[in-house]
Amino acid sequence: AQSVTQLDSQVPVFEEAPVELRCNYSSSVSVYLFWYVQYPNQGLQLLLKYLSGSTLVESINGFEAEFNKSQTSFHLRKPSVHISDTAEYFCAVDYGQNFVFGPGTRLSVLP
Amino acid sequence: DTGVSQNPRHKITKRGQNVTFRCDPISEHNRLYWYRQTLGQGPEFLTYFQNEAQLEKSRLLSDRFSAERPKGSFSTLEIQRTEQGDSAMYLCASSLVLGRGYGYTFGSGTRLTVV
Repeated sequence: AQSVTQLDSQVPVFEEAPVELRCNYSSSVSVYLFWYVQYPNQGLQLLLKYLSGSTLVESINGFEAEFNKSQTSFHLRKPSVHISDTAEYFCAVDYGQNFVFGPGTRLSVLP
Repeated sequence: DTGVSQNPRHKITKRGQNVTFRCDPISEHNRLYWYRQTLGQGPEFLTYFQNEAQLEKSRLLSDRFSAERPKGSFSTLEIQRTEQGDSAMYLCASSLVLGRGYGYTFGSGTRLTVV
């Protein structure tokens, strides 16, 4: 079955510390990978995506994610987080017939 | 273009009542999706339209749920005889069908509370 796993439901981290949010997905021949962010009481916003080419993709606000085909992972990282990064982060996979979301990781940035 | 618009933002209803939500997608997007999100969970697929045709429905979409997109523009999602288990955030998204990989643009959602 097609599935997306985010093992960490909550990640607390101090401001300016690095963070990694993990995402693993069930393998398929061809997938496109996405990270979405959801701030309280808002819809989901696309953070970044991997379609092809370089396995490292970056967003405009300092996040990056690396596609690892052998480990079927697409972990999200940021070297130094801000208070404003506090939100829920969802990994999503386009399997072609289905677009599947992970359960989400709540990132809490502490002062 | 102001993105995907959903109305109302919040809806409180009594159990057994019918409710209807509206979604206005990005105008040039021909695909429209409905998702449901409960607390602490990722969005779960309900149904999607390509233009006015409803192409797929999840088994989560019981016979109390119906969605329409009559002219291939806005869409409505109706829930009849609401139950407390229907309480959730209902998200609408739209996308272009030019090939895969474009991702979805989401609205801000309608939060339904059934009391």
